[in-house]
Amino acid sequence: EIVLTQSPGTLSLSPGERATLFCRASQSITSNYLAWYQQKLGQAPRLLVYGASSRATGIPDRFSGSGSGTDFTLTISRLEPEDFAVYYCQHYVTFGGGTRVEIK
Amino acid sequence: QVQLQQWGAGLLKPSETLSLTCAVYGASFSDYQWRWIRQSPGKGLEWIGDIHHTGTSSSNPSLQSRVTILFGASKNQFSLRLNSVTATDTAVYFCARVTIFHSMDVWGKGTTVTVSS
Repeated sequence: EIVLTQSPGTLSLSPGERATLFCRASQSITSNYLAWYQQKLGQAPRLLVYGASSRATGIPDRFSGSGSGTDFTLTISRLEPEDFAVYYCQHYVTFGGGTRVEIK
Repeated sequence: QVQLQQWGAGLLKPSETLSLTCAVYGASFSDYQWRWIRQSPGKGLEWIGDIHHTGTSSSNPSLQSRVTILFGASKNQFSLRLNSVTATDTAVYFCARVTIFHSMDVWGKGTTVTVSS
């Protein structure tokens, strides 16, 4: 069973700063099936990135995904106020524990 | 525009059966796989199970003995049944569409289910 570990647990940043979120798999996984989601309080998750690096429809280009093998990254180039949320990575039916991006 | 509309009872007593339905609008039901996911209060996301348009289903081994995922009353619906619920089944339950990349690109708004005596 593959385990996805996200780090850090919480990221405290200011608007305009760059956010780098990590997702590590317990064994090498297929990049095609690695996705990232954003979830705000009281809402369903929203797909941001699929296939490790492809942005979903309507997602701003400040969001970018990269990585392969066991290590994957979601980068938000310049944080907007609406980007403060919890982010999850996912592979098949497994989810990471999430990273909370909070306002510093 | 693809939408998933979900509904079901929000308050259950221990040992009762959770029953939720998700209706698909604006997309062909037969082109995708469909999924149930839940999120316990303050926790992360947990896969419950999937149903393929062929009727084949799969579920989380930790829930498998209690879970049934099946087509709904109408051809564009699918349903979740979880029997013998306990307080640990208290969660927000989401339905979602699964793409060929195994990501979930469309989600229902979620249904809060509370199990309490």
